[in-house]
Amino acid sequence: QVQLVQSGAEVKKPGASVKISCKASGYTFPNYYMHWVRQAPGQGLEWMGIINPSGGGTSFAQKFQGRVTMTRDTSTSTVYMEVSSLRSEDTAVYYCVRSQQLRNGYFDYWGQGTLVTVSS
Amino acid sequence: QSVLTQPPSASGTPGQRVTISCSGSSSNIGSNTVNWYQQLPGTAPKLLIYSNNQRPSGVPDRFSGSKSGTSASLAIRGLQSEDEADYYCAAWDDSLDGWVFGGGTKLTVL
Repeated sequence: QVQLVQSGAEVKKPGASVKISCKASGYTFPNYYMHWVRQAPGQGLEWMGIINPSGGGTSFAQKFQGRVTMTRDTSTSTVYMEVSSLRSEDTAVYYCVRSQQLRNGYFDYWGQGTLVTVSS
Repeated sequence: QSVLTQPPSASGTPGQRVTISCSGSSSNIGSNTVNWYQQLPGTAPKLLIYSNNQRPSGVPDRFSGSKSGTSASLAIRGLQSEDEADYYCAAWDDSLDGWVFGGGTKLTVL
């Protein structure tokens, strides 16, 4: 069965960086794009960006360009997302989600979420 | 402020039919398919409707989706207490070159 298992909760100080992992299993890793979506407390969903596990290419929402990095390790079927220069507004649950297509696709499996708390 | 517009709340009594709207523009809903996600309290979102009106296996046929022009709708018939959740629409946006979501609709079963 398809599973996306994320790393555990993190508490960071403003200005620090955080790196979250998402380990995929149950399907052919290179065949599906991986996205990151975040949800601030009591708020809606926000798409952050995408990585193509096959070639490693990435694309980000304009808001996150320059502050977010996405990488992958095909040997362990794991994707990583690093957010730098953290501020309190980055406090949120971060989800990895997969899709088979880029544009007219859909997010069929979601990770369990990783809570990142940014506080001094 | 979300790119796609949803009503913040909706409600109905058990057995009723409710609809949730999602309004966009020519660069998103007008030119791409719409998906709907259900988020039960304290859990990760789950795919509910994809490609405007398709249900993944396991989703009851009480849930249906439709799209017309730059708007989409989610309909739930035979409302049940377990349907109480947040519902989000989503679509690719050609101008932003990324995915956009609605702000979410909190459905209350009275």
